[in-house]
Amino acid sequence: QQQVKQSPQSLIVQKGGISIINCAYENTAFDYFPWYQQFPGKGPALLIAIRPDVSEKKEGRFTISFNKSAKQFSLHIMDSQPGDSATYFCAAKPPWGDAGNMLTFGGGTRLMVKP
Amino acid sequence: GAVVSQHPSWVICKSGTSVKIECRSLDFQATTMFWYRQFPKQSLMLMATSNEGSKATYEQGVEKDKFLINHASLTLSTLTVTSAHPEDSSFYICSANAGAVGELFFGEGSRLTVL
Repeated sequence: QQQVKQSPQSLIVQKGGISIINCAYENTAFDYFPWYQQFPGKGPALLIAIRPDVSEKKEGRFTISFNKSAKQFSLHIMDSQPGDSATYFCAAKPPWGDAGNMLTFGGGTRLMVKP
Repeated sequence: GAVVSQHPSWVICKSGTSVKIECRSLDFQATTMFWYRQFPKQSLMLMATSNEGSKATYEQGVEKDKFLINHASLTLSTLTVTSAHPEDSSFYICSANAGAVGELFFGEGSRLTVL
């Protein structure tokens, strides 16, 4: 059972545009929602993360929007750049100490930003 | 963020041989590390949880005799792929929790190709 569903699978955005990636989760026990960025041949790198006590978190051009009632969260990349072209994974984790602190990953979104 | 280092970054071996991949936490201690496997254009699949000083916990469907995990110290976990076959060719990534809220940091990954 896939507990975190991510969409779209792929996304093409023009340089300067806004990239939006969405995730939905099922387990209401999740309390930590990170986004990872992965370039080909590299391990995922933590990009930004949010906890359910806030509805939005912004770091530079990256913003997470969180809707607890809908069990959805999204990543917005403002002023998208070709260097942002990568695969993005959303993830979710239960509280520290629960279920071995294991992350559940979404299926990933391959973003291509065209010059 | 915390640094997790993997070695080797890529390895090619003949079918039937064993390959060891190391995962080190460079600037923090990790009682628990996680090993993931990633096929091309797919998400990360958790293989096992490595526990310092005790046996690893394997996910359903992962052969413990095939993928030997040793976590002998607080900074080192190793994954040994025994009697490797071409179907074991994949990208293997380790990770560890660090920081006050237990963010998960990933190594650079190890590309295994079995001929």
